[in-house]
Amino acid sequence: QVQLQESGPGLVKPSETLSLTCTVSGGSISSYYWSWIRQPAGKGLEWIGRIYTSGSTNYNPSLKSRVTMSVDTSKNQFSLKLSSVTAADTAVYYCASAQSGSYPGYYYYMDVWGKGTTVTVSS
Amino acid sequence: QSVLTQPPSVSAAPGQKVTISCSGSSSNIGNNYVSWYQQLPGTAPKLLIYENNKRPSGIPDRFSGSKSGTSATLGITGLQTGDEADYYCGTWDSSLSVVFGGGTKLTVL
Repeated sequence: QVQLQESGPGLVKPSETLSLTCTVSGGSISSYYWSWIRQPAGKGLEWIGRIYTSGSTNYNPSLKSRVTMSVDTSKNQFSLKLSSVTAADTAVYYCASAQSGSYPGYYYYMDVWGKGTTVTVSS
Repeated sequence: QSVLTQPPSVSAAPGQKVTISCSGSSSNIGNNYVSWYQQLPGTAPKLLIYENNKRPSGIPDRFSGSKSGTSATLGITGLQTGDEADYYCGTWDSSLSVVFGGGTKLTVL
């Protein structure tokens, strides 16, 4: 069973760039979609975006101008960068593996999640 | 404001049945498959239902999903205190992104 582990700084200053990495163990990162999701304290889930192992990406339109995702297949890792952060970006950040396809109708769901990492934006 | 609409809370007694609704539009639920996630307090979300009505290995058949038009429903029978959690629906949207409901807090009285 694939396992995911988020890592990165727990504290980021306003206007700086948040950088997180997700390490995949127990399986290969190749030929799958990988997602980032976040959750502010006491609030709901917000999908940040996804990356395929080819490097193809889709981002949440509300965050698109500030998000960059990348993948390193040699390290079995994928990463998230969120620029120009503010206090509103304070949240628990999750990485997840995803399954996708179409029948017709498209399915995309996150089947394995990391435990999450808390990122606080504060000076 | 979430793209998908869920009731903020539902409650029922142990052993009873509860349903949680998830309402969307033709841009999302109407043309794509719905998944459901369970988030127990202090833990990461867990996949509960995928492709509208399929259960991953290890999810008991007390949990079921259905979809009709632009709405989906999660059903839980034989409620247990351990089912107390937040439940989220999610699906693909024409904006080329995943959209979630705002979440529903289940209380087992």
